[in-house]
Amino acid sequence: QKEVEQNSGPLSVPEGAIASLNCTYSDRGSQSFFWYRQYSGKSPELIMFIYSNGDKEDGRFTAQLNKASQYVSLLIRDSQPSDSATYLCAANTRYSTLTFGKGTMLLVSP
Amino acid sequence: GAVVSQHPSRVICKSGTSVKIECRSLDFQATTMFWYRQFPKKSLMLMATSNEGSKATYEQGVEKDKFLINHASLTLSTLTVTSAHPEDSSFYICSAREPLNTEAFFGQGTRLTVV
Repeated sequence: QKEVEQNSGPLSVPEGAIASLNCTYSDRGSQSFFWYRQYSGKSPELIMFIYSNGDKEDGRFTAQLNKASQYVSLLIRDSQPSDSATYLCAANTRYSTLTFGKGTMLLVSP
Repeated sequence: GAVVSQHPSRVICKSGTSVKIECRSLDFQATTMFWYRQFPKKSLMLMATSNEGSKATYEQGVEKDKFLINHASLTLSTLTVTSAHPEDSSFYICSAREPLNTEAFFGQGTRLTVV
């Protein structure tokens, strides 16, 4: 059973703080990992993907992967109220379907 | 990223009628497309995987005769909800993946309301 687990939240942070979103996965064969952002009533949009152990940075976003611990995280620096959304973690093995977590709701207060 | 277009964005239909939703990859050829359903405040639920030129693969519990999927070309997949009932009201989202890539991009979603 392929599973991706996320804390449903909400995770509340003040504006300007670092938001840390976490995700664990059960399938050791998973090779690629994705973070999507979904605003209420909208479809998910891809923020970042990561394949290799370590950190990957893109602007205010940093994805972290630890395959030994089967753990993926997303850090959002200088959080803005516009970052308030549900963040979905997803994992897949090569060419397979994506398995999504249930998402973590992030609330950034002004 | 790649662009996936889904149409219509909203549709209201009467019980018993059928509704067709289109999913197009605009700037790439998608050999595989995915159809999801999402109920309010719930996560995405994969309904089926659509492969160009072959029959779709449905997830357990999804009625293939009710949710007809056609992937007739490398840029178009359609989902037809047949004999729709109010319980079929949901947010339907497609996604597509480029060949040899693992990133999937989502369409805008279709809000279906059956009255």
